[in-house]
Amino acid sequence: ETGVTQTPRHLVMGMTNKKSLKCEQHLGHNAMYWYKQSAKKPLELMFVYNFKEQTENNSVPSRFSPECPNSSHLFLHLHTLQPEDSALYLCASSQDSVGDSPLHFGNGTRLTVT
Amino acid sequence: SQQGEEDPQALSIQEGENATMNCSYKTSINNLQWYRQNSGRGLVHLILIRSNEREKHSGRLRVTLDTSKKSSSLLITASRAADTASYFCATVSVSGYSTLTFGKGTMLLVSP
Repeated sequence: ETGVTQTPRHLVMGMTNKKSLKCEQHLGHNAMYWYKQSAKKPLELMFVYNFKEQTENNSVPSRFSPECPNSSHLFLHLHTLQPEDSALYLCASSQDSVGDSPLHFGNGTRLTVT
Repeated sequence: SQQGEEDPQALSIQEGENATMNCSYKTSINNLQWYRQNSGRGLVHLILIRSNEREKHSGRLRVTLDTSKKSSSLLITASRAADTASYFCATVSVSGYSTLTFGKGTMLLVSP
């Protein structure tokens, strides 16, 4: 058990669908992250939230919309995705976002866009 | 942009042997971290080494950092089949964003 739970584990959606990925951390951390992991590419940081406030948006297309209602929950809302958006989406948390704290990852949501 | 770059991309060894993975990076860092990822799972933090440290140990893991060469190595001693995974280095830069930047990883296969 990693302390960071992501649901669903697998998701298949069409390009016109709207879906949401959910992440919950039980570690009392203040920072939460969304990363995208595609085959043969480094992990790509998408969004960072610190104390519920978005502190980074790494030029992510607007078809990805994050939401952080509190320090324990993070969502990624998806709409009108493209097939190249198929990837493993990883949520992570850390004590703070200053880079001195290790990240704790969930097991990811494997997304397939058809 | 990619900061850390692991070498080799893939490594295959027998149980009991040592495995060494290297990481090179481009800009000055605050710290460097190593993570492991089993197939289909999330990343697990292994060890953090700060820029003023040269070597760190954790169980069968030994990490070195050479800031003059902008490189780090991860040594796994007496490897086991359960060590089979991908290993990533990640850096926190001195300037700019304080978040981690990951490399592409080294895929380690340990055969029984």
